[in-house]
Amino acid sequence: QKEVEQNSGPLSVPEGAIASLNCTYSDRGSQSFFWYRQYSGKSPELIMFIYSNGDKEDGRFTAQLNKASQYVSLLIRDSQPSDSATYLCAVGRTALIFGKGTTLSVSS
Amino acid sequence: GAGVSQSPSNKVTEKGKDVELRCDPISGHTALYWYRQSLGQGLEFLIYFQGNSAPDKSGLPSDRFSAERTGGSVSTLTIQRTQQEDSAVYLCASSLRLAGGPYEQYFGPGTRLTVT
Repeated sequence: QKEVEQNSGPLSVPEGAIASLNCTYSDRGSQSFFWYRQYSGKSPELIMFIYSNGDKEDGRFTAQLNKASQYVSLLIRDSQPSDSATYLCAVGRTALIFGKGTTLSVSS
Repeated sequence: GAGVSQSPSNKVTEKGKDVELRCDPISGHTALYWYRQSLGQGLEFLIYFQGNSAPDKSGLPSDRFSAERTGGSVSTLTIQRTQQEDSAVYLCASSLRLAGGPYEQYFGPGTRLTVT
């Protein structure tokens, strides 16, 4: 059974700090990896995807992928209170497998 | 441009009744997906449509669930003889289908289904 694991949190960081969110996956053949942000009561919002080993940066967000370790992470620099949400890691090509999410709380 | 739209936003139904949920994908997106999100199970894939190909139904939890996509655009998810465990938020997503992927899936606002 293909699985995606995330620490449920909550992860608490002060405003301006770096938040680091982690995800591991079981299917070694996985090729595409996504990070979604979900505010309470809202639907998931795609913030980044990555499919090559290494880092991918987009503004304050950096996704990191290590296929040998089956590990993907999301770094949020200069965290803001508006970043407080649940972050979902998803793996797959069409039928995405989601982790249960990490709740991030950024305090001002 | 307009995002994925879903209707209704909320649906309350009695156990045993049938329900239909509708999804209108982003214009130009050829792939459409249904997921459901419940407190205990997280976000689960249900079904995937791509063009005129046979849908990937591998995530449908029982034969009470079915979906169709007419004209390559709007999709309807039907749940027959609803049970209380069907209570969840049903999310639709759509994506372009580019050679080699990845297929970036964009979600609609969801339909919250409550079975009483």
